[in-house]
Amino acid sequence: QKEVEQDPGPLSVPEGAIVSLNCTYSNSAFQYFMWYRQYSRKGPELLMYTYSSGNKEDGRFTAQVDKSSKYISLFIRDSQPSDSATYLCAMRNNDMRFGAGTRLTVKP
Amino acid sequence: DVKVTQSSRYLVKRTGEKVFLECVQDMDHENMFWYRQDPGLGLRLIYFSYDVKMKEKGDIPEGYSVSREKKERFSLILESASTNQTSMYLCASSPARDTQYFGPGTRLTVL
Repeated sequence: QKEVEQDPGPLSVPEGAIVSLNCTYSNSAFQYFMWYRQYSRKGPELLMYTYSSGNKEDGRFTAQVDKSSKYISLFIRDSQPSDSATYLCAMRNNDMRFGAGTRLTVKP
Repeated sequence: DVKVTQSSRYLVKRTGEKVFLECVQDMDHENMFWYRQDPGLGLRLIYFSYDVKMKEKGDIPEGYSVSREKKERFSLILESASTNQTSMYLCASSPARDTQYFGPGTRLTVL
């Protein structure tokens, strides 16, 4: 079993839809949780960074962490074609671990 | 803003060549990392460094070596490139025990 599981998709939604991206993990020691966005042929860029359980909102993006269920989510409201990218979840305590990424396409 | 730069965006090399990939960060970060990214496999850690002249093996170090002579620079070396090293190579840096910031990546093709 991988330490971090993420559905690779692909996920295709119409413009304006609410998108939900998820990861599960097995290591209860993870304390810090991140979401990266990676456009095609580019490096990942940090999108959201949260510590422990709870929600964090930044514009159209909301990151949610449920440590009791070992489950993290990223919600994108009013999705735009420019949100089309691969989204990687990541988490760490001492070491960093990444999900494999979910490829999202938002169609105009 | 954190800036991580990589020496090349695209690189084509032949089997058996020695390949150098360079990474520079301008934020005085202690930690630097080299990953490769392949479809379906995600990011895999090759080597990392917590300090100058210090290196640690990651999950897939075979066929690679690294050098960190200065704090801002971390080089990945393929001693004898092979076709199975064709991949996207990503460098990242981070302050101690903090999140990682990535460079733009180098897409390496070994023929």
